[in-house]
Amino acid sequence: NAGVTQTPKFRILKIGQSMTLQCTQDMNHNYMYWYRQDPGMGLKLIYYSVGAGITDKGEVPNGYNVSRSTTEDFPLRLELAAPSQTSVYFCASSANRGLTEAFFGQGTRLTVV
Amino acid sequence: DQQVKQNSPSLSVQEGRISILNCDYTNSMFDYFLWFKKYPAEGPTFLISISSIKDKNEDGRFTVFLNKSAKHLSLHIVPSQPGDSAVYFCAASAQGGKLIFGQGTELSVKP
Repeated sequence: NAGVTQTPKFRILKIGQSMTLQCTQDMNHNYMYWYRQDPGMGLKLIYYSVGAGITDKGEVPNGYNVSRSTTEDFPLRLELAAPSQTSVYFCASSANRGLTEAFFGQGTRLTVV
Repeated sequence: DQQVKQNSPSLSVQEGRISILNCDYTNSMFDYFLWFKKYPAEGPTFLISISSIKDKNEDGRFTVFLNKSAKHLSLHIVPSQPGDSAVYFCAASAQGGKLIFGQGTELSVKP
């Protein structure tokens, strides 16, 4: 099935470890996004990209890094994991900026202990 | 500062009845509003949107109403079906900028 693929689905990290959350889409969308969802909260934008080679910060970028070397891939990097980064992470891609044609991945549940 | 608020964490409705999910916002610059639906263990999916130049948008069983003076929008689902049971998020943006999401309301439609 076409769409947005996120890996891994679950991960437990120790404080200070690093990891990369992978996101791939096969719809040739220019816009890609990383959101986090904390319990009882809405989605908060971490980083976004409007095309290969172009990325920008969202509401909560601290502690994360991204790259967009191809249209298809938009990995999210956590360098020094902290308990505050325990969350569910969603990647999305969209044909437009407004997310009305967005596809979201299934999410990555990350726990930092 | 929560610019988009969904004050009801949950809502339970009987099948066939109307579901009304509410959303309030504080930023008067918001000019575009969306509703997303999310099932467990899945990502959100776009449901319906409305621009600030309208006060109503309808798509099948789903209607979104916008009251700009009250900074309030609502999603009506008529008739509600058990498959509508999910978490619903409202979101808003200003001038094509980043979307700000509410906390979500979990709708349960009982047969």
